[in-house]
Amino acid sequence: SYELTQPPSVSVSPGQTARITCSGDALPKQYAYWYQQKPGQAPVLVIYKDSERPSGIPERFSGSSSGTTVTLTISGVQAEDEADYYCQSADSSGPVVFGGGTKLTVL
Amino acid sequence: QVTLRESGPALVKPTQTLTLTCTFSGFSLSTSGMCVSWVRQPPGKALEWLALIDWDDDKYYSTSLKTRLTISKDTSKNQVVLTMTNMDPVDTATYYCARTPGAGYRYFDYWGQGTLVTVSS
Repeated sequence: SYELTQPPSVSVSPGQTARITCSGDALPKQYAYWYQQKPGQAPVLVIYKDSERPSGIPERFSGSSSGTTVTLTISGVQAEDEADYYCQSADSSGPVVFGGGTKLTVL
Repeated sequence: QVTLRESGPALVKPTQTLTLTCTFSGFSLSTSGMCVSWVRQPPGKALEWLALIDWDDDKYYSTSLKTRLTISKDTSKNQVVLTMTNMDPVDTATYYCARTPGAGYRYFDYWGQGTLVTVSS
């Protein structure tokens, strides 16, 4: 199966824009999904189908796709956004794959 | 509202078989497109997908763990069961069940709170 590669860590100051990337050869053919996970909690879906935002997720979370890379963008980062973020992809009948996760630190 | 809850032993011995149950509410696994998966996370490490069962009773497994995993469902009880054989200390992890809402796209919109399983003699 394929891999999804994320940077281990990203740091931003409050109010700045955080961009977390996820790269994988299958991404041009498959949607990507993003999850936020805070310590001791279950993951929460923040972006689906590359760029769709579930209800209840703040508008500062957005997603985009270009070739083999998808990007989660958090505009106007707040302290509460500090968390681990995971990308995920899968085709309709194959295995589900998660990225290795990115720790977002709000300075 | 949709909820999922994992249950099972907190401690298993090496070589034993682990059986976990996901009990859910707010949706039916007989609805076309609906799926439930198991995902685990070793302490301090990344998420790892294990298995998925769909409304049509089709089953899909992680390539690396497929020989050790069995997933099944009891639609009448709103439960999905995962068994993992030959447990090893490296299988120590929080195990989550999660719902895939269907329509051919495999992602997880609702998660259980997770259950920590420790493998130790």
